[in-house]
Amino acid sequence: RKEVEQDPGPFNVPEGATVAFNCTYSNSASQSFFWYRQDCRKEPKLLMSVYSSGNEDGRFTAQLNRASQYISLLIRDSKLSDSATYLCVVPWRNQGGKLIFGQGTELSVKP
Amino acid sequence: NAGVTQTPKFQVLKTGQSMTLQCAQDMNHEYMSWYRQDPGMGLRLIHYSVGAGITDQGEVPNGYNVSRSTTEDFPLRLLLAAPSQTSVYFCASSYSPGTGHYTFGSGTRLTVV
Repeated sequence: RKEVEQDPGPFNVPEGATVAFNCTYSNSASQSFFWYRQDCRKEPKLLMSVYSSGNEDGRFTAQLNRASQYISLLIRDSKLSDSATYLCVVPWRNQGGKLIFGQGTELSVKP
Repeated sequence: NAGVTQTPKFQVLKTGQSMTLQCAQDMNHEYMSWYRQDPGMGLRLIHYSVGAGITDQGEVPNGYNVSRSTTEDFPLRLLLAAPSQTSVYFCASSYSPGTGHYTFGSGTRLTVV
């Protein structure tokens, strides 16, 4: 099993829709999790951190389910500018200095 | 502007050639790392450093060397380029890796023919 797995998509949704991505991780000892956003052919940028049960920032909500070892990212009221690839990230072997990235989930928001 | 600077942005190499990808940051970050990104594979850690003079291997270190003589610079060396090293390479730095907050460079797109 890969350390971090994501549904690659693509997810094609209309503007205003709510969309959710899931990410599963293999290391049950992981304490912190992150969502990064990557625009086409650009560098990844940190979107949200998840340390306990979840985190909310405006239209974005990240939730953690430790029992099932997955985290989710919910985007409400999707905007065209939300089109990007969303990367699920877990510290490698629970060592914060090294991050393991999922392969990413592609989101395309259409008018 | 403060950040992570990678050079070159694009490079084509012939099999067997060697080269160095440069990475510099001006944020006084102790932690730096190199990733490669391939289609469908996500970003994979090549090497990382927790401070000047200290480096360690990541997931996919074979074929690459690094050194960290200063806090600012973290070059990645390809010793004998192979077509399997065709990829996009990202350098990243962090003031506190536990926060997950890494600043990435804009990437180097390398093709080995």
